[in-house]
Amino acid sequence: DQQVKQNSPSLSVQEGRISILNCDYTNSMFDYFLWYKKYPAEGPTFLISISSIKDKNEDGRFTVFLNKSAKHLSLHIVPSQPGDSAVYFCAASAGILHAGGTSYGKLTFGQGTILTVHP
Amino acid sequence: NAGVTQTPKFQVLKTGQSMTLQCAQDMNHNSMYWYRQDPGMGLRLIYYSASEGTTDKGEVPNGYNVSRLNKREFSLRLESAAPSQTSVYFCASSERAQGGDEQYFGPGTRLTVT
Repeated sequence: DQQVKQNSPSLSVQEGRISILNCDYTNSMFDYFLWYKKYPAEGPTFLISISSIKDKNEDGRFTVFLNKSAKHLSLHIVPSQPGDSAVYFCAASAGILHAGGTSYGKLTFGQGTILTVHP
Repeated sequence: NAGVTQTPKFQVLKTGQSMTLQCAQDMNHNSMYWYRQDPGMGLRLIYYSASEGTTDKGEVPNGYNVSRLNKREFSLRLESAAPSQTSVYFCASSERAQGGDEQYFGPGTRLTVT
């Protein structure tokens, strides 16, 4: 049961244009969403996150949009650069109540989308 | 400041052999995690430790054990390796297990079980 899905295995974009990566989720308990970027032979690196109380978060060239009613989020990269070529993972977390409080350690990842930006 | 380090980088095991994957972080983070990455599956959480002295199962814990040795170190043990455990293993850490908290990943260990 894939709770977080990235239905596009790959995306090819021209340098300078917009890249839009999509992610769908099924678990309505998720309340934080994150995007990670991964280069070959390296670990993933954090890009941007959004709380479920927001519908947009922007950081430089990267903007994440959240549509809770559709259980859909997207990452926009504008303008795209060749150095953005990587695998992009979306991830989601839900709060888990422990005796010591609420933790969000369990991230559920999508399958990843390979972005290629051509010069 | 090395961030998150993992050893070894590569390992080949025969079915039934055991091994321990080591992970250390120097960022004074409270929470640490072990993931595996398989083609078409994304990253799946094996175990995590929200704070020193605690460990919890993730999505795919069967066949693995973990030890949070101290605040810096979190090891993953395969007691009897199986071909299904062929994967790339990533260790990660975060300041706390808070919503939206960035997790910092190590470079990974590529494990092949024959």
